[in-house]
Amino acid sequence: NAGVTQTPKFQVLKTGQSMTLQCAQDMNHEYMSWYRQDPGMGLRLIHYSVGAGITDQGEVPNGYNVSRSTTEDFPLRLLSAAPSQTSVYFCASSYSIPGQGQNSYNSPLHFGNGTRLTVT
Amino acid sequence: AQSVTQLDSQVPVFEEAPVELRCNYSSSVSVYLFWYVQYPNQGLQLLLKYLSGSTLVKGINGFEAEFNKSQTSFHLRKPSVHISDTAEYFCAVSDLNSGYSTLTFGKGTMLLVSP
Repeated sequence: NAGVTQTPKFQVLKTGQSMTLQCAQDMNHEYMSWYRQDPGMGLRLIHYSVGAGITDQGEVPNGYNVSRSTTEDFPLRLLSAAPSQTSVYFCASSYSIPGQGQNSYNSPLHFGNGTRLTVT
Repeated sequence: AQSVTQLDSQVPVFEEAPVELRCNYSSSVSVYLFWYVQYPNQGLQLLLKYLSGSTLVKGINGFEAEFNKSQTSFHLRKPSVHISDTAEYFCAVSDLNSGYSTLTFGKGTMLLVSP
């Protein structure tokens, strides 16, 4: 079981370039999400998905797009990179969909190892 | 809106000493509370969670936390730390107003254990 796999591990972009951060999970999880982690800021939710074909915005969605065409994959697209998007990005998934009853949190979030992105 | 405050950005402690990492949350409705740990260059792992029931929650690696509704706190404790506990710890909350659908994380506390 690979768990949650993120690629690439490191990326350097120039301002204005676009790219896609990949996230794949092999646990048949319905719920997937993207967070960014910045020093002194903790983790902030960018976008999330409760199943194939369904996505929603989190706390900081501007400048990012997502899609969920399959259960396994949840790519994050940066449309026109800006220095403010320099961060570490984490993908996380869980079997249950948070919010669907108390039992939903009996399945914890599984995190990938992150993608460190620098925008110059 | 739900929010989390971790009062200490860094906590230095000697090996085998006890430690408490503080977490306060802001929400006027029912909450779920979590502690996650992040080791260097890795993602986050769940340490423990409070959903309901007993206010004292035990987690992995000897950690425990106590939910105090009147003080809106969820402090994390360990009676005797090891060098291997050196990591960053995040408190998180999910509340009824959000339909428990999103987790809000605190800014993190770095636990530094020295010999």
